[in-house]
Amino acid sequence: QQQVKQSPQSLIVQKGGISIINCAYENTAFDYFPWYQQFPGKGPALLIAIRPDVSEKKEGRFTISFNKSAKQFSLHIMDSQPGDSATYFCAASEGRLTAGTASKLTFGTGTRLQVTL
Amino acid sequence: DTEVTQTPKHLVMGMTNKKSLKCEQHMGHRAMYWYKQKAKKPPELMFVYSYEKLSINESVPSRFSPECPNSSLLNLHLHALQPEDSALYLCASSQARALRYEQYFGPGTRLTVT
Repeated sequence: QQQVKQSPQSLIVQKGGISIINCAYENTAFDYFPWYQQFPGKGPALLIAIRPDVSEKKEGRFTISFNKSAKQFSLHIMDSQPGDSATYFCAASEGRLTAGTASKLTFGTGTRLQVTL
Repeated sequence: DTEVTQTPKHLVMGMTNKKSLKCEQHMGHRAMYWYKQKAKKPPELMFVYSYEKLSINESVPSRFSPECPNSSLLNLHLHALQPEDSALYLCASSQARALRYEQYFGPGTRLTVT
């Protein structure tokens, strides 16, 4: 059962354009929503994250928009650059499994972004 | 510093070999994770350690054996693997406290089973 649906699967954007990647979740217990950026042959890097008590979070050119009622969140990359070409994963966590233990991330299927010149 | 290191970077092993993957972090994190990632797929959780104790085993075959010798180190012992186990193996760490969910990943070990 896929609990986090991500779209599109691939995206081509011109340099300077806006890249938008969408995710939807079903589990209302999720309370932490990170985005990861992964370059080929490398590990995922935490890009930006949001909790459901805010509707938007911005860090530089990256913005997360969050719609709790619709159970959707999205990543916007402003002024997209060729160096942003990578695979992006959204994820969600339902927080502490038990007190003092670790979180468990559920990943979306990934979006391969290509930024062209 | 949010660095998680993994060794080796690449590993080729036969189906009868025994090998180990190593992961290290010095961020003071008390939760550590092993993930498996196949090409063009998201990371798939294998094991979670919290305070050096195995917290989650996602029904991983016994040919994969995790070990957490101390709060900074995480090992994954491999034995009698199958070719379909070839993948990128990722280690991650996070704090094990409420509301501190950020997981930081290492660069991974590219494993090829021949």
